[in-house]
Amino acid sequence: DGGITQSPKYLFRKEGQNVTLSCEQNLNHDAMYWYRQDPGQGLRLIYYSQIVNDFQKGDIAEGYSVSREKKESFPLTVTSAQKNPTAFYLCASSKSKALFGSPLHFGNGTRLTVT
Amino acid sequence: AQSVTQPDIHITVSEGASLELRCNYSYGATPYLFWYVQSPGQGLQLLLKYFSGDTLVQGIKGFEAEFKRSQSSFNLRKPSVHWSDAAEYFCAVGALLMDSNYQLIWGAGTKLIIKP
Repeated sequence: DGGITQSPKYLFRKEGQNVTLSCEQNLNHDAMYWYRQDPGQGLRLIYYSQIVNDFQKGDIAEGYSVSREKKESFPLTVTSAQKNPTAFYLCASSKSKALFGSPLHFGNGTRLTVT
Repeated sequence: AQSVTQPDIHITVSEGASLELRCNYSYGATPYLFWYVQSPGQGLQLLLKYFSGDTLVQGIKGFEAEFKRSQSSFNLRKPSVHWSDAAEYFCAVGALLMDSNYQLIWGAGTKLIIKP
């Protein structure tokens, strides 16, 4: 079955450490996204990529970095510059490069706790 | 500015009762509208979408939603809820922004609690 795999499900880090969240898809989708979810809030877009070797900042990109070296993979690094990194992180993909009307397929998320 | 409002943070419904979850949006043109569902600790799954045409759209798991342009609403309904429907529901609007980028704008979600 095709889908999106995020790993690990839970991640714990000390403050000041960078951490990388994995996201892999086998749906052959062009576009991939990273969202952050905090309690009582909608999803907020961190970064998105519409094609390999290209990505754009979303609404809350500060303190995060991404790469898109392969179509299947879109890892997210949470750097020590991110002021409030504890959150639930969701990776998604969509078929259309243009995002236009193309539904998102989500992974099951990674819960990051930084102490 | 574009926005999506889900006025109810929580809704409690008895099993077998009908359900309506509200979603209002602010956007100048006809939007692309979505409802997603999220079970605890999981990702989101698309329930249904509206792009054009018939304003009453059917989705998975027995859900439907109606687009009302005059009210800027896209409310989600189900005639009879099951305990397995307990989850958080998110409304989203696809909007073309000033910089010609298309983006999804999300509501804050409504948590559905089912009473036995």
